[in-house]
Amino acid sequence: GESVGLHLPTLSVQEGDNSIINCAYSNSASDYFIWYKQESGKGPQFIIDIRSNMDKRQGQRVTVLLNKTVKHLSLQIAATQPGDSAVYFCAESGAGSYQLTFGKGTKLSVIP
Amino acid sequence: DAGVIQSPRHEVTEMGQEVTLRCKPISGHDYLFWYRQTMMRGLELLIYFNNNVPIDDSGMPEDRFSAKMPNASFSTLKIQPSEPRDSAVYFCASSLLSPQTQYFGPGTRLLVL
Repeated sequence: GESVGLHLPTLSVQEGDNSIINCAYSNSASDYFIWYKQESGKGPQFIIDIRSNMDKRQGQRVTVLLNKTVKHLSLQIAATQPGDSAVYFCAESGAGSYQLTFGKGTKLSVIP
Repeated sequence: DAGVIQSPRHEVTEMGQEVTLRCKPISGHDYLFWYRQTMMRGLELLIYFNNNVPIDDSGMPEDRFSAKMPNASFSTLKIQPSEPRDSAVYFCASSLLSPQTQYFGPGTRLLVL
């Protein structure tokens, strides 16, 4: 999951298994959450987003779950593939804000 | 659309030199953001523009940093004079009607010796 430390937490997953990446946020006023994927040498790439009036949102092979009670966000990747290897960032934004606050990231490594 | 375009992709310079980073946002996007990414501090927002006007520059670290957006299709981030601690990857991002959904460029990797 996310960390405020200086090193990235790492998640290693076998190809074909499901991955779950976690993120904790602190601002109870945050109403928009977004996941980005960043591959080595590239910019962050939008994956999926969710607003605070929802608990779950699904995309292609990805699902985001939001638990506002405990201020927790998770990204689930189904049937993880080698191309999913990257650093995943969660980000949050408050009502009316155009700024995103990014977490430190989680490195996902897929074992072939 | 080609996405957000940044140049140069890599820049190596010596301490004290001026560095100019360039960004072309996605056509039609009203918001433009400049970020800096380091291993120590992660992604940090430096400044953002709405309709070419700087809205919040509170993330700009020092007066050595300045950013401009002379028109809707071009922005620059300038560091003068540069210092070794400015070494980082600088990203530009743009967004449209949903400001929070930002689309990032490939970044400029800056190394100040």
